[in-house]
Amino acid sequence: DVKVTQSSRYLVKRTGEKVFLECVQDMDHENMFWYRQDPGLGLRLIYFSYDVKMKEKGDIPEGYSVSREKKERFSLILESASTNQTSMYLCASRLGGAGTEAFFGQGTRLTVV
Amino acid sequence: RKEVEQDPGPFNVPEGATVAFNCTYSNSASQSFFWYRQDCRKEPKLLMSVYSSGNEDGRFTAQLNRASQYISLLIRDSKLSDSATYLCVVTAPIYNQGGKLIFGQGTELSVKP
Repeated sequence: DVKVTQSSRYLVKRTGEKVFLECVQDMDHENMFWYRQDPGLGLRLIYFSYDVKMKEKGDIPEGYSVSREKKERFSLILESASTNQTSMYLCASRLGGAGTEAFFGQGTRLTVV
Repeated sequence: RKEVEQDPGPFNVPEGATVAFNCTYSNSASQSFFWYRQDCRKEPKLLMSVYSSGNEDGRFTAQLNRASQYISLLIRDSKLSDSATYLCVVTAPIYNQGGKLIFGQGTELSVKP
């Protein structure tokens, strides 16, 4: 079974802190994604990566950055956490190519106080 | 216009009912289509892929109409365990943003005894 693992289920951070969310997948997938999910807004893409060291901005990249130094790991960085970044963060991975399924991590619920 | 739009919810139906969800997408070059299911406080999981020829998996039937840019999901003989949020997912063309996944906002289904 494909496994996508996010480093934390719940996090509480203070405003202004630098926050790292880690995601690891074990199936050699090319594509990895970071989404945030908020009530009434659905899943919104923050960043995605289609290869090591390659990244593309999604719909809401402001205030975030990412790192993909190894194929299996995709990190989301909140440079200076703010209360409006309180959300559920979901990582996903999939093989490149048409028709391939995406697998999600269990999510990280981040609260910024 | 949103890239992927779904029926607003929630849908409240009795056990045994048939329920249909609709979804439209804006990019005619979209490549792949899926329905995902998300249970409360869980990550999304693939329910089924959607093909132009239509496909069926037990009580679930998915249809794709490329000409109308329309996707549907039909659930027959609803069970209590079908209660969840159903997410319509479309992938961007590979030549454009590497096949990123685009989610609709989701439609909440509640099946009552």
